[in-house]
Amino acid sequence: SQQGEEDPQALSIQEGENATMNCSYKTSINNLQWYRQNSGRGLVHLILIRSNEREKHSGRLRVTLDTSKKSSSLLITASRAADTASYFCATDIGAQKLVFGQGTRLTINP
Amino acid sequence: DTGVSQDPRHKITKRGQNVTFRCDPISEHNRLYWYRQTLGQGPEFLTYFQNEAQLEKSRLLSDRFSAERPKGSFSTLEIQRTEQGDSAMYLCASSFWEGTEAFFGQGTRLTVV
Repeated sequence: SQQGEEDPQALSIQEGENATMNCSYKTSINNLQWYRQNSGRGLVHLILIRSNEREKHSGRLRVTLDTSKKSSSLLITASRAADTASYFCATDIGAQKLVFGQGTRLTINP
Repeated sequence: DTGVSQDPRHKITKRGQNVTFRCDPISEHNRLYWYRQTLGQGPEFLTYFQNEAQLEKSRLLSDRFSAERPKGSFSTLEIQRTEQGDSAMYLCASSFWEGTEAFFGQGTRLTVV
């Protein structure tokens, strides 16, 4: 079963705008990870945030984690056409595996 | 290329046939995972290895599926008596240790006709 739920399921914005995706989960976690997947390809790891962290940055990416609300958000600033992809959150619940949500399909329009 | 590699990239097989996929993880990674992904869905956990030991197998996985990781290096995933419902992308990933990021291969796309 899927532990994480991304919201929205699909997002379409203009190039240069910021994109925000949210992830909610059900059980306590060790860490939460965000991945990107281009159509028909493998997943690329973007960022890992541990349960004792509240915010992390990597280039144009900003991830927040609120363990009290069991939620995380991924912000992509100054979006580019190359950011068009599906984005997944994955929770490490200490059960030795990552549990993925269904993803947010992001489209950046030129 | 020192990433995770999977072979083949695409496989078309007739229903009832057996198929085997191979995954070569990043060499220093102890953990190896297999996931399955269908169109529009997130990856679904199948099984994982710590070195050569298979430590967990999804309850969703039928007995037709088997995986091995001899000597803790590459891994194979075999599906016996394939069914149309097995059509999916099969993804392999590896990580150095528990709680670290996983690196995925490009996947093997299986089509059962």
